[in-house]
Amino acid sequence: AQSVAQPEDQVNVAEGNPLTVKCTYSVSGNPYLFWYVQYPNRGLQFLLKYITGDNLVKGSYGFEAEFNKSQTSFHLKKPSALVSDSALYFCAVSYNTDKLIFGTGTRLQVFP
Amino acid sequence: GAGVSQSPSNKVTEKGKDVELRCDPISGHTALYWYRQSLGQGLEFLIYFQGNSAPDKSGLPSDRFSAERTGGSVSTLTIQRTQQEDSAVYLCASSMRENYGYTFGSGTRLTVV
Repeated sequence: AQSVAQPEDQVNVAEGNPLTVKCTYSVSGNPYLFWYVQYPNRGLQFLLKYITGDNLVKGSYGFEAEFNKSQTSFHLKKPSALVSDSALYFCAVSYNTDKLIFGTGTRLQVFP
Repeated sequence: GAGVSQSPSNKVTEKGKDVELRCDPISGHTALYWYRQSLGQGLEFLIYFQGNSAPDKSGLPSDRFSAERTGGSVSTLTIQRTQQEDSAVYLCASSMRENYGYTFGSGTRLTVV
């Protein structure tokens, strides 16, 4: 079955430190993987996607994610967190350009 | 328009009434999706339209929920005999299948009182 897991409900990090938001997916064909961010009272904004090619994907606002097939993971990373990065982050998976299946979301809190 | 447009942005309705939520996708996008986000929850898939194919309705929670997409463009999500548990933000997204770019609207916040 298609699914994606975000094991952490919340991630806390100090400003300036590196951050990681974890995501793992179920194995079923070739996954297309996405990260979205949701700021308070706003819609979902696209950050980055992995479709094929280079396993390291760079996206908006300095975020990047690495597709790891052996670990079935697609963790979101940023070398230096900003307070303004505080938001709700969603990982999503799609197979064969079908519907997006979302994880439950991880709330990132960056402290000054 | 440049983005996905949803209306109304907010809707308060009495329990038992019917509501219609509208989504205007990006022009030329062949796929359209409806999701529901309850307070503090993730995004729950509801329904998916792709071109002229039969829609994927596998996420609709009950037969009170239905959706149409007219002319391959505008979509309407209808909830009949609303219940308090229907209160949520309903999000619409559209995409071009070829570039896997899903764009979301700002959503309709539905409150059933």
